[in-house]
Amino acid sequence: AQKVTQAQTEISVVEKEDVTLDCVYETRDTTYYLFWYKQPPSGELVFLIRRNSFDEQNEISGRYSWNFQKSTSSFNFTITASQVVDSAVYFCALSERETSGSRLTFGEGTQLTVNP
Amino acid sequence: DAGITQSPRHKVTETGTPVTLRCHQTENHRYMYWYRQDPGHGLRLIHYSYGVKDTDKGEVSDGYSVSRSKTEDFLLTLESATSSQTSVYFCAISESTSGSSSYEQYFGPGTRLTVT
Repeated sequence: AQKVTQAQTEISVVEKEDVTLDCVYETRDTTYYLFWYKQPPSGELVFLIRRNSFDEQNEISGRYSWNFQKSTSSFNFTITASQVVDSAVYFCALSERETSGSRLTFGEGTQLTVNP
Repeated sequence: DAGITQSPRHKVTETGTPVTLRCHQTENHRYMYWYRQDPGHGLRLIHYSYGVKDTDKGEVSDGYSVSRSKTEDFLLTLESATSSQTSVYFCAISESTSGSSSYEQYFGPGTRLTVT
């Protein structure tokens, strides 16, 4: 069975600090997909990134970057120069390759608070 | 933003009553999903659909049923609501291309259900 662990329940930083959110996953499949979602205080879920198991290249999008390491089964998310608007719950999720839809297994989420 | 709506957005109901939540999409996506979000559990999959009249169970399907008679609508029914079903319910949709069904899911705004 697949599992996602986000060990950090809550993180609090001061604006402009860099912050890394950890995600560790377990799966028996060799083909799988990893995702990050953001849930701001307003409650909606916003898709941030999808990464497949064959692509270990790190990705950067503005202040966001993701580090995927198969050797440690981790897919960590770093926010550089954090801002108050980054305050949200962040979820890491995993899906295995299936023919009938991508059933996501979510971690419990990390509550990030960025203080001014 | 993906065209996904959920109705109602808020509902309070009594234990033992049936409740139906509706998810409507305008994207013509094949896959639709129902999740529930509870503190300490992240999001957990209830049921999903991979086409009209094609549905399957997720991780926490007991006490729930679903129906999909049209591509755009996916209904979640609580046969006899219990207090343990008090939660925030999210609908999601995703598309696929040949060779992969594990594409990102886009979420609706959520329905907050309280069972008293």
